[in-house]
Amino acid sequence: KQEVTQIPAALSVPEGENLVLNCSFTDSAIYNLQWFRQDPGKGLTSLLLIQSSQREQTSGRLNASLDKSSGRSTLYIAASQPGDSATYLCAVPGSFGNEKLTFGTGTRLTIIP
Amino acid sequence: SAVISQKPSRDICQRGTSLTIQCQVDSQVTMMFWYRQQPGQSLTLIATANQGSEATYESGFVIDKFPISRPNLTFSTLTVSNMSPEDSSIYLCSVTPQGLGQFFGPGTRLTVL
Repeated sequence: KQEVTQIPAALSVPEGENLVLNCSFTDSAIYNLQWFRQDPGKGLTSLLLIQSSQREQTSGRLNASLDKSSGRSTLYIAASQPGDSATYLCAVPGSFGNEKLTFGTGTRLTIIP
Repeated sequence: SAVISQKPSRDICQRGTSLTIQCQVDSQVTMMFWYRQQPGQSLTLIATANQGSEATYESGFVIDKFPISRPNLTFSTLTVSNMSPEDSSIYLCSVTPQGLGQFFGPGTRLTVL
């Protein structure tokens, strides 16, 4: 059974700093890995999708990496802004890609102005 | 990607009543997923809904409590029946356009008094 863990559970940093969020998974037979952002009481916004054959994906100030063999992914946020404050979730499907997602426990990020 | 809408966005209901949540997608998709997010928790899959067949429920969820309809490839409903305060959660539908990851609706925030 796939298990996904995120460290840290919560993080507070001053505005402008670069930061890294970590995600680990126990079963490396994944089709892809997806990072989401969730604002309080809201739905999930997809940030980045990394296919199993890829090592990283970039979108603006966000960069996500994937190391399947070690069961790890990181989300790097550059030059953090108060608007980045949210909960960040990583999630993986099974080996076919269209199954249910197994979610990590989430990292609650607060950017201090 | 896919654009997903949900109705209602939020509701406050009395114990013992039922609420039907609608999920509309802007493109045809084979599989739709219904998740629940209880306060302070990560997402838990309730069921997978394929058009033209019975929904597949995860362990701990039953059809009598969470009946699902999937009349066509762009629409689904989830009913939360005989509600209790423990059903207070955010309910989210999602779809997985092939190879593009999973996309979520904005969620329905349910409070049961």
